Amino acid sequence: ETGVTQSPTHLIKTRGQQVTLRCSSQSGHNTVSWYQQALGQGPQFIFQYYREEENGRGNFPPRFSGLQFPNYSSELNVNALELDDSALYLCASSPTSGGRFGELFFGEGSRLTVL
Amino acid sequence: AQSVTQLGSHVSVSEGALVLLRCNYSSSVPPYLFWYVQYPNQGLQLLLKYTTGATLVKGINGFEAEFKKSETSFHLTKPSAHMSDAAEYFCAVIAGTASKLTFGTGTRLQVTL
Repeated sequence: ETGVTQSPTHLIKTRGQQVTLRCSSQSGHNTVSWYQQALGQGPQFIFQYYREEENGRGNFPPRFSGLQFPNYSSELNVNALELDDSALYLCASSPTSGGRFGELFFGEGSRLTVL
Repeated sequence: AQSVTQLGSHVSVSEGALVLLRCNYSSSVPPYLFWYVQYPNQGLQLLLKYTTGATLVKGINGFEAEFKKSETSFHLTKPSAHMSDAAEYFCAVIAGTASKLTFGTGTRLQVTL
């Protein structure tokens, strides 16, 4: 069973630039969520995708956007980067059946530094 | 809105000692509660969860947690700490959609010889 994989693992951008982060969900999982984890903080929910549709969004501005593809992989796009966007971005996939309600399977994250 | 509060950002125990990491929740509806662990430079891994039924839940690596509604708590315990338990631990609660977890700020567990 292949786990959740994310790319790139590290990247550095400058203010105002745009970034795309990618995530391949675990085999058999059709739901993908994205979280932002600032240094020393718990993960904060950005949004969730289920069957290619956004299915819930946290308190993040519209410059944070996403996509989910037919194979359930996903992208997180952030436009007009700000210094406060520097964080670890975590992708998590989850099954929607089998009694595993609320269980998330996380990737190792993409660490974004904005200069 | 639902939330969790983790008491103590850092906890240090000796190897072999009891581990107790505290989590209190706030919820207007019956909560689903989780503990996740994060090792350095890694993503989060589910330790255990409480949904319904038995209030004492057992997880991986010898950890367990007890749901106490009267105290709105879900503390994580392990009878005997091991060096490999050193990590960041996050308590979380379901809020709204099935996969929208609200996390606490985390507790860093240090295990000393």
